[in-house]
Amino acid sequence: NAGVTQTPKFQVLKTGQSMTLQCAQDMNHNSMYWYRQDPGMGLRLIYYSASEGTTDKGEVPNGYNVSRLNKREFSLRLESAAPSQTSVYFCATTPLSPLHFGNGTRLTVT
Amino acid sequence: GQQVMQIPQYQHVQEGEDFTTYCNSSTTLSNIQWYKQRPGGHPVFLIQLVKSGEVKKQKRLTFQFGEAKKNSSLHITATQTTDVGTYFCEAVTGGGNKLTFGTGTQLKVEL
Repeated sequence: NAGVTQTPKFQVLKTGQSMTLQCAQDMNHNSMYWYRQDPGMGLRLIYYSASEGTTDKGEVPNGYNVSRLNKREFSLRLESAAPSQTSVYFCATTPLSPLHFGNGTRLTVT
Repeated sequence: GQQVMQIPQYQHVQEGEDFTTYCNSSTTLSNIQWYKQRPGGHPVFLIQLVKSGEVKKQKRLTFQFGEAKKNSSLHITATQTTDVGTYFCEAVTGGGNKLTFGTGTQLKVEL
């Protein structure tokens, strides 16, 4: 089925550990996004990629890095996780609009 | 920068009552999208509004875009338990390059 696939679905990290969240889409869209969702704060944009080979900072980029590996894949890396990064992370893609979201990764940093 | 306010933050209704959420922008929008997120799920696209004063309906849901293209509303008539979830607006400006989400309205429906 066409869509956006995120891995892993759940992750628990200790402060200072690193990890990479993976996102892949088979919709042949140029634009891909990473959002985080926290209670009462809606969806906040971390980074986005308008096309293969380009990435730009969103509203809350600090503590994260991204890689647009190819048109299909857009990964989000936490180099040194902090408790403030406990959140639900969503990857999304769009031809222009609207956004198509993956199922999310629930990350807890202790 | 652009700000998108969505109210109310929470709404509890009895099944059969109506529900409305409002989205207000500080700047004129290109278009606006509405999404629904079920508990534990991901946001799912509902509708896109593009034209000034546009009104669209999906069964019991009515979406409106303001004349000045700075505000929008989602109205649900006679809520059902299946309407439970959080409703988000997504404001689009800059020719489609800047996307900003409202903070969402969480709807709970009681029998």
